[in-house]
Amino acid sequence: EDQVTQSPEALRLQEGESSSLNCSYTVSGLRGLFWYRQDPGKGPEFLFTLYSAGEEKEKERLKATLTKKESFLHITAPKPEDSATYLCAVQVGDSWGKLQFGAGTQVVVTP
Amino acid sequence: DTAVSQTPKYLVTQMGNDKSIKCEQNLGHDTMYWYKQDSKKFLKIMFSYNNKELIINETVPNRFSPKSPDKAHLNLHINSLELGDSAVYFCASSQDGGVEQYFGPGTRLTVT
Repeated sequence: EDQVTQSPEALRLQEGESSSLNCSYTVSGLRGLFWYRQDPGKGPEFLFTLYSAGEEKEKERLKATLTKKESFLHITAPKPEDSATYLCAVQVGDSWGKLQFGAGTQVVVTP
Repeated sequence: DTAVSQTPKYLVTQMGNDKSIKCEQNLGHDTMYWYKQDSKKFLKIMFSYNNKELIINETVPNRFSPKSPDKAHLNLHINSLELGDSAVYFCASSQDGGVEQYFGPGTRLTVT
């Protein structure tokens, strides 16, 4: 059975304190791994797509990497506006656009 | 210029009632989705439509029935609401079933 596990569940950081979030997955044939950001009371917002081990993507203070078993979302020198829940998802099966999401990591960045 | 909109944003109703949630996207996408996010924050796909054709139909009670009048709209009708249906329901859209999905603001459904 396909599984996506994110850790930690919650992370509290001081502004400027870099850290990493983990997303481990077990899927039969990875077709893509995706990171989304969700702010309280809003829908998820797409961040990155990773397709193959060794691939990296960057956006501002965020950098996503992928290995054969897990992905990391590195947050470098975070700011309070980076506070959000970060969701990892994998594309499963052959179904059109079918994503399986992890439970997310809630990040709080304090000034 | 909202990309994906949902109405209503909040819905409070009693058990046994029937309710609908509407979704519209103005991105020109051809694929739309319904997701359910429960109290533990897990986001699970329920349905997807591509050009008005049902593509994904997860293990969801028959009380849930999606309808897509055109590719810009996807509505969700729920019959005989139960307490366990309480959740936030998100609509999303993408092009060609792509995984860069754009989500609406969500509809918080509370069944009492």
